Amino acid sequence: KNEVEQSPQNLTAQEGEFITINCSYSVGISALHWLQQHPGGGIVSLFMLSSGKKKHGRLIATINIQEKHSSLHITASHPRDSAVYICAARFTEGTSYGKLTFGQGTILTVHP
Amino acid sequence: EAQVTQNPRYLITVTGKKLTVTCSQNMNHEYMSWYRQDPGLGLRQIYYSMNVEVTDKGDVPEGYKVSRKEKRNFPLILESPSPNQTSLYFCASSLSGLASYEQYFGPGTRLTVT
Repeated sequence: KNEVEQSPQNLTAQEGEFITINCSYSVGISALHWLQQHPGGGIVSLFMLSSGKKKHGRLIATINIQEKHSSLHITASHPRDSAVYICAARFTEGTSYGKLTFGQGTILTVHP
Repeated sequence: EAQVTQNPRYLITVTGKKLTVTCSQNMNHEYMSWYRQDPGLGLRQIYYSMNVEVTDKGDVPEGYKVSRKEKRNFPLILESPSPNQTSLYFCASSLSGLASYEQYFGPGTRLTVT
């Protein structure tokens, strides 16, 4: 069964802390997406990964294909980073090609 | 401005009254998709379209219909809405369905069915 699991479900941090959100998936994927959803509901795509590492500003996303695991890191966190972070996988096995399966999301709160 | 638009943004309706939520993108994207988001269940894919006239079921297609007659539009149709379809709906598009590209999301439609 194609599954995506995120941890932790809730994360509270103080401004300036280094944050890591984890995403594990069950079988082979062609790509993994990291999304950000701010209060109020809009969803923004942060990264799309098929291998290695990507960086954008204070955000870094990595993926380890062998371990079926991806991480999203936020350096020098800021209250404006408070949001829900969602990973989504495009599986290559046992599913139609265009389907995306989502993790449950991680609610991040950064206090000043 | 490159964007995905959805209408309406908010809708309250009654059980059984057919409704359509429109989705349009101006980026000439091939791939479009509909998702619903519910507390405790997260985002789930309803239907997707790899290109014009090509649609396929996601994980929760029951009670929904879609069509893709033009590249830019991908309406979501609820022929007989029920209260369990009360949800936050997102439309998204990406360049191609044949490989993974960044997804662009619409602003969401909050639907309440009484």
